[in-house]
Amino acid sequence: KQEVTQIPAALSVPEGENLVLNCSFTDSAIYNLQWFRQDPGKGLTSLLLIQSSQREQTSGRLNASLDKSSGRSTLYIAASQPGDSATYLCAVEEDSNYQLIWGAGTKLIIKP
Amino acid sequence: KAGVTQTPRYLIKTRGQQVTLSCSPISGHRSVSWYQQTPGQGLQFLFEYFSETQRNKGNFPGRFSGRQFSNSRSEMNVSTLELGDSALYLCASRAQGGHEQYFGPGTRLTVT
Repeated sequence: KQEVTQIPAALSVPEGENLVLNCSFTDSAIYNLQWFRQDPGKGLTSLLLIQSSQREQTSGRLNASLDKSSGRSTLYIAASQPGDSATYLCAVEEDSNYQLIWGAGTKLIIKP
Repeated sequence: KAGVTQTPRYLIKTRGQQVTLSCSPISGHRSVSWYQQTPGQGLQFLFEYFSETQRNKGNFPGRFSGRQFSNSRSEMNVSTLELGDSALYLCASRAQGGHEQYFGPGTRLTVT
């Protein structure tokens, strides 16, 4: 059974720092891995989707990498800003069945 | 394009009652998925509908059901509510053939 883990559960850093969020999964037979952010009282916003055949995806200050063999993904945020404060979740989709299996999230606080 | 909308945004019900939540996907999207988010269990997949057919179902009791209409709007119903059903219920839509999901703001259900 696929399990997705995110460490740390919470992270607080000063504005301007570069940071890395981690996501690990137990079964490497995934179709894709997705990163989302969730703001308090709001739904989820898709950040990056990495297909199983890809190694990384970039969007602005965000870069996500995927290493299927080791069951790991990282989300790199460059030059962090207070507006980046949110909970970041990763999720894997297995076998193209459109069902996402979620990590518990990392709550990120960027201090001005 | 308008995003995914969910109604109502907040709901308070009593144990034993039933509830119906509604989700309107992005125009043109025919797939709608439902998720439950609780502090203890995190995000869990409930079910997915495509063209009025349930295509996938998570591990939830039969009290949780759903349907999709010809205009792709979806409803989920929870009967005989329990305290543990208190959660944020999120729906997401996706374009045909696409794997990126677009989430609504959620319905916060409180069972007393």
